[in-house]
Amino acid sequence: GAGVSQTPSNKVTEKGKYVELRCDPISGHTALYWYRQSLGQGPEFLIYFQGTGAADDSGLPNDRFFAVRPEGSVSTLKIQRTERGDSAVYLCASSPGANNEQFFGPGTRLTVL
Amino acid sequence: GIQVEQSPPDLILQEGANSTLRCNFSDSVNNLQWFHQNPWGQLINLFYIPSGTKQNGRLSATTVATERYSSLYISSSQTTDSGVYFCAVVDNNDMRFGAGTRLTVKP
Repeated sequence: GAGVSQTPSNKVTEKGKYVELRCDPISGHTALYWYRQSLGQGPEFLIYFQGTGAADDSGLPNDRFFAVRPEGSVSTLKIQRTERGDSAVYLCASSPGANNEQFFGPGTRLTVL
Repeated sequence: GIQVEQSPPDLILQEGANSTLRCNFSDSVNNLQWFHQNPWGQLINLFYIPSGTKQNGRLSATTVATERYSSLYISSSQTTDSGVYFCAVVDNNDMRFGAGTRLTVKP
Protein backbone atom coordinates (compact mmCIF):
# COMPACT_ATOMS: atom_id res chain seq x y z
CA GLY A 1 0.00 0.00 0.00
CA ALA A 2 1.10 3.53 -0.73
CA GLY A 3 -0.58 5.20 2.22
CA VAL A 4 0.45 5.91 5.80
CA SER A 5 0.22 2.83 7.98
CA GLN A 6 0.04 2.57 11.75
CA THR A 7 0.43 -0.36 14.09
CA PRO A 8 -1.16 -1.66 16.16
CA SER A 9 -4.67 -0.64 15.18
CA ASN A 10 -5.81 -1.18 18.75
CA LYS A 11 -3.88 -1.28 22.00
CA VAL A 12 -5.29 -2.01 25.43
CA THR A 13 -2.99 -1.53 28.37
CA GLU A 14 -3.12 -1.07 32.10
CA LYS A 15 -2.49 2.15 33.96
CA GLY A 16 1.22 2.64 34.59
CA LYS A 17 2.43 0.52 31.67
CA TYR A 18 4.67 1.62 28.79
CA VAL A 19 3.42 1.60 25.18
CA GLU A 20 4.92 2.16 21.75
CA LEU A 21 2.92 3.16 18.70
CA ARG A 22 4.42 2.88 15.22
CA CYS A 23 3.93 4.94 12.08
CA ASP A 24 5.14 4.15 8.56
CA PRO A 25 4.86 7.28 6.42
CA ILE A 26 4.40 7.48 2.68
CA SER A 27 7.69 6.66 0.99
CA GLY A 28 9.72 9.79 0.30
CA HIS A 29 7.78 12.05 2.64
CA THR A 30 10.22 14.02 4.77
CA ALA A 31 7.69 15.49 7.17
CA LEU A 32 5.89 13.36 9.76
CA TYR A 33 3.32 14.43 12.33
CA TRP A 34 1.64 12.85 15.35
CA TYR A 35 -1.82 13.89 16.55
CA ARG A 36 -4.18 12.73 19.27
CA GLN A 37 -7.95 12.63 18.87
CA SER A 38 -10.31 12.30 21.81
CA LEU A 39 -13.92 11.29 21.38
CA GLY A 40 -16.04 13.99 19.78
CA GLN A 41 -13.13 16.34 19.13
CA GLY A 42 -10.82 17.22 16.28
CA PRO A 43 -7.26 15.90 16.24
CA GLU A 44 -4.71 17.81 18.32
CA PHE A 45 -1.10 18.27 17.26
CA LEU A 46 1.58 16.50 19.29
CA ILE A 47 4.90 16.60 17.41
CA TYR A 48 6.38 17.29 13.97
CA PHE A 49 9.50 15.71 12.44
CA GLN A 50 11.42 17.06 9.49
CA GLY A 51 13.74 14.22 8.56
CA THR A 52 15.19 12.65 11.69
CA GLY A 53 14.80 15.61 13.98
CA ALA A 54 11.83 16.77 15.99
CA ALA A 55 11.29 20.25 14.56
CA ASP A 56 8.38 21.06 16.87
CA ASP A 57 7.36 19.05 19.95
CA SER A 58 5.28 21.80 21.52
CA GLY A 59 2.13 19.68 21.50
CA LEU A 60 3.45 16.86 23.67
CA PRO A 61 1.37 17.09 26.86
CA ASN A 62 4.15 16.17 29.32
CA ASP A 63 7.45 14.35 29.63
CA ARG A 64 5.80 10.93 29.66
CA PHE A 65 5.41 11.32 25.90
CA PHE A 66 8.36 10.95 23.56
CA ALA A 67 8.76 10.24 19.85
CA VAL A 68 11.65 9.23 17.64
CA ARG A 69 12.35 8.91 13.93
CA PRO A 70 15.93 7.62 13.85
CA GLU A 71 16.29 7.03 10.10
CA GLY A 72 13.95 9.69 8.82
CA SER A 73 11.21 7.25 7.87
CA VAL A 74 9.40 5.13 10.48
CA SER A 75 8.47 6.91 13.70
CA THR A 76 7.60 5.56 17.13
CA LEU A 77 5.53 7.40 19.71
CA LYS A 78 6.39 6.25 23.22
CA ILE A 79 4.22 6.78 26.28
CA GLN A 80 5.56 5.99 29.73
CA ARG A 81 3.51 5.34 32.88
CA THR A 82 0.25 5.49 30.96
CA GLU A 83 -2.76 7.12 32.57
CA ARG A 84 -6.45 6.64 31.86
CA GLY A 85 -6.54 10.14 30.38
CA ASP A 86 -4.13 9.01 27.66
CA SER A 87 -6.91 6.93 26.11
CA ALA A 88 -7.53 8.31 22.62
CA VAL A 89 -6.90 7.63 18.96
CA TYR A 90 -3.33 8.48 18.00
CA LEU A 91 -3.01 9.58 14.39
CA CYS A 92 0.08 9.88 12.25
CA ALA A 93 0.36 11.97 9.08
CA SER A 94 3.08 12.57 6.53
CA SER A 95 3.70 15.14 3.84
CA PRO A 96 6.32 15.77 1.13
CA GLY A 97 7.66 18.68 3.16
CA ALA A 98 6.67 21.36 5.62
CA ASN A 99 3.41 23.17 4.83
CA ASN A 100 2.44 20.65 2.16
CA GLU A 101 -0.70 18.56 2.06
CA GLN A 102 -0.80 16.04 4.92
CA PHE A 103 -2.00 12.47 4.54
CA PHE A 104 -3.23 10.55 7.56
CA GLY A 105 -2.95 6.96 8.66
CA PRO A 106 -5.86 4.96 10.11
CA GLY A 107 -4.79 5.62 13.68
CA THR A 108 -4.09 3.53 16.77
CA ARG A 109 -6.88 3.38 19.33
CA LEU A 110 -5.24 3.33 22.77
CA THR A 111 -7.28 2.29 25.79
CA VAL A 112 -5.74 2.57 29.23
CA LEU A 113 -7.64 0.58 31.85
CA GLY B 1 -2.47 30.09 18.36
CA ILE B 2 -4.94 30.17 15.54
CA GLN B 3 -8.57 29.48 16.37
CA VAL B 4 -10.61 27.46 13.89
CA GLU B 5 -14.38 27.55 14.05
CA GLN B 6 -16.67 25.36 12.00
CA SER B 7 -20.37 25.72 11.46
CA PRO B 8 -22.85 24.24 11.76
CA PRO B 9 -21.79 21.67 14.36
CA ASP B 10 -24.48 19.26 13.19
CA LEU B 11 -26.37 18.98 9.94
CA ILE B 12 -29.10 16.56 8.91
CA LEU B 13 -30.08 16.33 5.24
CA GLN B 14 -32.32 14.29 3.05
CA GLU B 15 -30.54 12.46 0.27
CA GLY B 16 -30.23 14.69 -2.78
CA ALA B 17 -30.06 17.97 -0.86
CA ASN B 18 -27.20 20.46 -1.10
CA SER B 19 -25.25 21.92 1.80
CA THR B 20 -22.53 24.40 2.64
CA LEU B 21 -20.11 23.93 5.54
CA ARG B 22 -18.20 26.91 6.83
CA CYS B 23 -14.75 27.30 8.38
CA ASN B 24 -13.52 30.56 9.91
CA PHE B 25 -10.00 31.06 11.20
CA SER B 26 -8.50 33.81 13.29
CA ASP B 27 -5.22 34.57 11.49
CA SER B 28 -3.40 34.11 8.20
CA VAL B 29 -2.44 30.52 7.42
CA ASN B 30 0.08 28.67 5.29
CA ASN B 31 -2.34 26.06 4.10
CA LEU B 32 -5.84 24.74 4.67
CA GLN B 33 -7.26 21.28 4.20
CA TRP B 34 -10.74 19.76 4.32
CA PHE B 35 -11.14 16.19 5.52
CA HIS B 36 -13.99 13.71 5.78
CA GLN B 37 -13.70 11.35 8.74
CA ASN B 38 -15.60 8.20 7.94
CA PRO B 39 -17.38 6.04 10.54
CA TRP B 40 -14.22 3.94 10.93
CA GLY B 41 -12.20 7.00 11.90
CA GLN B 42 -10.11 7.36 8.77
CA LEU B 43 -9.41 10.95 7.74
CA ILE B 44 -9.89 11.22 4.01
CA ASN B 45 -8.38 14.17 2.17
CA LEU B 46 -10.97 16.20 0.32
CA PHE B 47 -9.16 19.41 -0.60
CA TYR B 48 -5.82 21.09 -0.06
CA ILE B 49 -6.87 24.67 -0.62
CA PRO B 50 -4.86 27.56 0.85
CA SER B 51 -6.73 29.90 -1.50
CA GLY B 52 -9.06 29.89 -4.47
CA THR B 53 -11.68 27.39 -5.57
CA LYS B 54 -11.43 23.70 -6.37
CA GLN B 55 -13.98 21.14 -7.46
CA ASN B 56 -13.99 17.37 -7.28
CA GLY B 57 -17.18 15.73 -8.47
CA ARG B 58 -20.08 16.73 -6.23
CA LEU B 59 -17.79 18.57 -3.84
CA SER B 60 -16.25 21.99 -4.18
CA ALA B 61 -14.32 24.25 -1.83
CA THR B 62 -13.45 27.91 -1.73
CA THR B 63 -10.93 29.65 0.51
CA VAL B 64 -10.78 33.43 0.79
CA ALA B 65 -7.59 33.88 2.74
CA THR B 66 -7.92 37.65 3.08
CA GLU B 67 -11.30 37.18 4.76
CA ARG B 68 -10.11 34.18 6.78
CA TYR B 69 -12.74 31.68 5.80
CA SER B 70 -13.26 28.59 3.71
CA SER B 71 -16.44 26.87 2.56
CA LEU B 72 -17.12 23.30 1.53
CA TYR B 73 -20.10 22.76 -0.76
CA ILE B 74 -21.71 19.34 -1.13
CA SER B 75 -24.24 18.92 -3.91
CA SER B 76 -26.77 16.11 -4.37
CA SER B 77 -25.79 14.54 -1.05
CA GLN B 78 -25.70 10.76 -0.67
CA THR B 79 -25.92 8.59 2.44
CA THR B 80 -22.23 7.77 2.01
CA ASP B 81 -21.44 11.44 2.60
CA SER B 82 -22.37 10.98 6.26
CA GLY B 83 -19.61 11.49 8.77
CA VAL B 84 -17.64 14.34 10.28
CA TYR B 85 -16.09 17.03 8.11
CA PHE B 86 -13.02 18.78 9.46
CA CYS B 87 -11.36 21.96 8.37
CA ALA B 88 -7.69 22.23 9.38
CA VAL B 89 -5.17 25.02 9.00
CA VAL B 90 -1.40 25.08 9.38
CA ASP B 91 -0.09 27.55 11.94
CA ASN B 92 3.70 27.47 11.72
CA ASN B 93 4.40 23.74 11.76
CA ASP B 94 1.33 22.24 13.34
CA MET B 95 -2.09 21.63 11.87
CA ARG B 96 -5.00 22.93 13.92
CA PHE B 97 -8.41 21.39 13.45
CA GLY B 98 -11.84 22.78 13.96
CA ALA B 99 -14.36 20.83 16.04
CA GLY B 100 -15.95 19.49 12.87
CA THR B 101 -19.39 19.37 11.31
CA ARG B 102 -21.26 16.10 11.80
CA LEU B 103 -23.29 15.43 8.67
CA THR B 104 -26.08 12.87 8.56
CA VAL B 105 -27.68 12.17 5.19
CA LYS B 106 -30.95 10.28 5.44
CA PRO B 107 -32.24 8.08 2.63
